[in-house]
Amino acid sequence: DVKVTQSSRYLVKRTGEKVFLECVQDMDHENMFWYRQDPGLGLRLIYFSYDVKMKEKGDIPEGYSVSREKKERFSLILESASTNQTSMYLCASRGTGRNNEQFFGPGTRLTVL
Amino acid sequence: SQKIEQNSEALNIQEGKTATLTCNYTNYSPAYLQWYRQDPGRGPVFLLLIRENEKEKRKERLKVTFDTTLKQSLFHITASQPADSATYLCALDIGGYNKLIFGAGTRLAVHP
Repeated sequence: DVKVTQSSRYLVKRTGEKVFLECVQDMDHENMFWYRQDPGLGLRLIYFSYDVKMKEKGDIPEGYSVSREKKERFSLILESASTNQTSMYLCASRGTGRNNEQFFGPGTRLTVL
Repeated sequence: SQKIEQNSEALNIQEGKTATLTCNYTNYSPAYLQWYRQDPGRGPVFLLLIRENEKEKRKERLKVTFDTTLKQSLFHITASQPADSATYLCALDIGGYNKLIFGAGTRLAVHP
């Protein structure tokens, strides 16, 4: 069974902390994505990566950075967490080619106090 | 600006009826369109993909249409069941970086 896993389902952090969200996929996909999802705003793309060590900004990259040192792993970093980063974070992966679907992880619900 | 619109109001229907959800887009010319289902607290799950040269696609009780002239896709669930209650998202593949653009989703509630 193909899988995208995320390191935590729930996370509570304090303002100013550095936060790491980890995502691992076992499908050998080139493309990986980080989204945040907020009520009424849908899925918003933060960053994506189309290859190891490659990254591209999405629609809302401010306050975030990413790392992709290995093909299967894509990390999202909140350099200094703020309360407006409280959200559901979803990781996804996708094979190259337009016939491919996107596979999502279960999500991490992050609360910043 | 680039925009994908799905009905933000929840769709409430009776069990056994056909549910129809709408996805409208502007300023895109997508070659591919996908539909996903999302249950509360979980990640979206892929349902169907339709290409621009396909008018209609079916999978069991699901049917998707794609009208590139109207810039609209319709998603139908026939003989709906309470287990179909979820949020349904449409996603456009507009090319480049294998990236999808998602709508905000429509919540469907099927009542017994």
